[in-house]
Amino acid sequence: ETGVTQSPTHLIKTRGQQVTLRCSSQSGHNTVSWYQQALGQGPQFIFQYYREEENGRGNFPPRFSGLQFPNYSSELNVNALELDDSALYLCASSSGGDYGYTFGSGTRLTVV
Amino acid sequence: AQTVTQSQPEMSVQEAETVTLSCTYDTSENNYYLFWYKQPPSRQMILVIRQEAYKQQNATENRFSVNFQKAAKSFSLKISDSQLGDTAMYFCAFMNRNTGNQFYFGTGTSLTVIP
Repeated sequence: ETGVTQSPTHLIKTRGQQVTLRCSSQSGHNTVSWYQQALGQGPQFIFQYYREEENGRGNFPPRFSGLQFPNYSSELNVNALELDDSALYLCASSSGGDYGYTFGSGTRLTVV
Repeated sequence: AQTVTQSQPEMSVQEAETVTLSCTYDTSENNYYLFWYKQPPSRQMILVIRQEAYKQQNATENRFSVNFQKAAKSFSLKISDSQLGDTAMYFCAFMNRNTGNQFYFGTGTSLTVIP
């Protein structure tokens, strides 16, 4: 059973640029969530996808967008990057039901 | 809205000793889950233990146990026989069982196990 894989592990971008982060869900999982974890903070919910449809969104602006593909892998896109977007971005997948989520090791994004 | 509060930013414990991490939460929901997650330097969030709010019995997983006080909205984690590998950030988290689509995390407690 494979876990959740995120790529890249580290990324440096310039303010105003766009970035795409990727997540490969655990086998058999049809639900994926994205979280932003600022330094010294707990993760904050960005949004969740279930079978390619968004089914929940946290308090993040529209420049944070996502996709889930038929194989249940997922992307997080952030446009017009700001310095405050510097954080660890975590992906978590689940098969639903018992709410067992598996987290990836995250992508560390630095905006300069 | 749900909030989760962890009032201990840092804690330390001697190897083989017992330590308790505190967590309080606020919600108007009745049907929910509570969790403790561990985040080691590898950054991956690892589930330590889960409690279902409708169950009165406190959850236990080997050396890890919780003290769930629903009326007080308190959910503490007890680690017995602490091991060096327990050194990590620990996050308390809440999930509404009806919607089941997001975790609400606290700000974490950094635990160091001292040899």
